[in-house]
Amino acid sequence: SQTIHQWPATLVQPVGSPLSLECTVEGTSNPNLYWYRQAAGRGLQLLFYSVGIGQISSEVPQNLSASRPQDRQFILSSKKLLLSDSGFYLCAWKASAAFGKLFFGSGTQLSVL
Amino acid sequence: QQQVKQSPQSLIVQKGGISIINCAYENTAFDYFPWYQQFPGKGPALLIAIRPDVSEKKEGRFTISFNKSAKQFSLHIMDSQPGDSATYFCAAQAAFYGSARQLTFGSGTQLTVLP
Repeated sequence: SQTIHQWPATLVQPVGSPLSLECTVEGTSNPNLYWYRQAAGRGLQLLFYSVGIGQISSEVPQNLSASRPQDRQFILSSKKLLLSDSGFYLCAWKASAAFGKLFFGSGTQLSVL
Repeated sequence: QQQVKQSPQSLIVQKGGISIINCAYENTAFDYFPWYQQFPGKGPALLIAIRPDVSEKKEGRFTISFNKSAKQFSLHIMDSQPGDSATYFCAAQAAFYGSARQLTFGSGTQLTVLP
């Protein structure tokens, strides 16, 4: 069966510090991978998605970046965090077929202080 | 045109009542409409989904009603229970529309079912 792992679960970082969030998927090949951000009590904002290794599409210009070094690994990074980067970050995957279900990880609660 | 408008933002229902959440869209290329349920501190999980070739889909206490001509769809939760208290997101997807392999989500509805 397929599983998605996302870590860490919570993270407190000072403004200006770097960020690296990692997501891995098991039990499937060539998934579509996604990073979403959810502000407190708000909706889901798509940040990045990837349809293959090294292929990253950015939805929202910001100081975050994403990379996909391996087929089932998706990394969200920042060189210098801003206060506005605080939020609940969710990784998700979907089979590459058009109407595949979207499966979310358990999320990372990031607080930038 | 890529937006999905969801209402209400919050909903309070008594136990045993019917919860109704509505969504509307403009993009006629959308042809897959899922609903996701999210509990606090967790990632959303697929609850139920519908394709536009049917007007209604029921799974247990959860029903999607779909009105293609009005470009609207809704989630009905019958016999609502306190355990249904969560945030619900509608979404829409078009398989062959530009880069829309990802879902377009509504803004979410926070449902509280009172015991």
